[in-house]
Amino acid sequence: GQQLNQSPQSMFIQEGEDVSMNCTSSSIFNTWLWYKQDPGEGPVLLIALYKAGELTSNGRLTAQFGITRKDSFLNISASIPSDVGIYFCAGNRDDKIIFGKGTRLHILP
Amino acid sequence: KAGVTQTPRYLIKTRGQQVTLSCSPISGHRSVSWYQQTPGQGLQFLFEYFSETQRNKGNFPGRFSGRQFSNSRSEMNVSTLELGDSALYLCASSLYGEDEQFFGPGTRLTVL
Repeated sequence: GQQLNQSPQSMFIQEGEDVSMNCTSSSIFNTWLWYKQDPGEGPVLLIALYKAGELTSNGRLTAQFGITRKDSFLNISASIPSDVGIYFCAGNRDDKIIFGKGTRLHILP
Repeated sequence: KAGVTQTPRYLIKTRGQQVTLSCSPISGHRSVSWYQQTPGQGLQFLFEYFSETQRNKGNFPGRFSGRQFSNSRSEMNVSTLELGDSALYLCASSLYGEDEQFFGPGTRLTVL
């Protein structure tokens, strides 16, 4: 079946560092979405990507839709404590949205 | 615009009971999807409803069912609860289903 491989599973970084995470698949997707989930809450949409090669920013967040349409990455620059949480990628194809297993971001004091 | 709302936020049940969860989508959204989230399995797709019809279904047993009303509100029902059904149940709404999904805060179900 269709799967999204999201990596890394978890990250431990210092405040102020940049962060990079990605999702890959053997299947082509029409849309890539990135979400962030805080403890006890539902995921919140951060960035949506609709075209291969598209690079989109939202404040300190930047995401790209891979040229092959099989991957996407999310970068966070100059991390701050409130960036802590779980980041999910999601890909859309055949009227279905599939989620990666998430990247848990920890920020060390 | 109000966001996606889910009720109740927390629920404790015992094995064998049944439970009904409710989701109100963003006004104008016609698609509602349900997900089960557990620490080990991540977000697992349950089903999607669009215009009162189930359009997509994940790999869950028949104990999990849902429906959607004419106002797009949706309910999810789990019968004969098992311990393994303890999870955060999330619903997400979107305009048509293939586009951006917006999540509710979830219902935390604990089965004892």
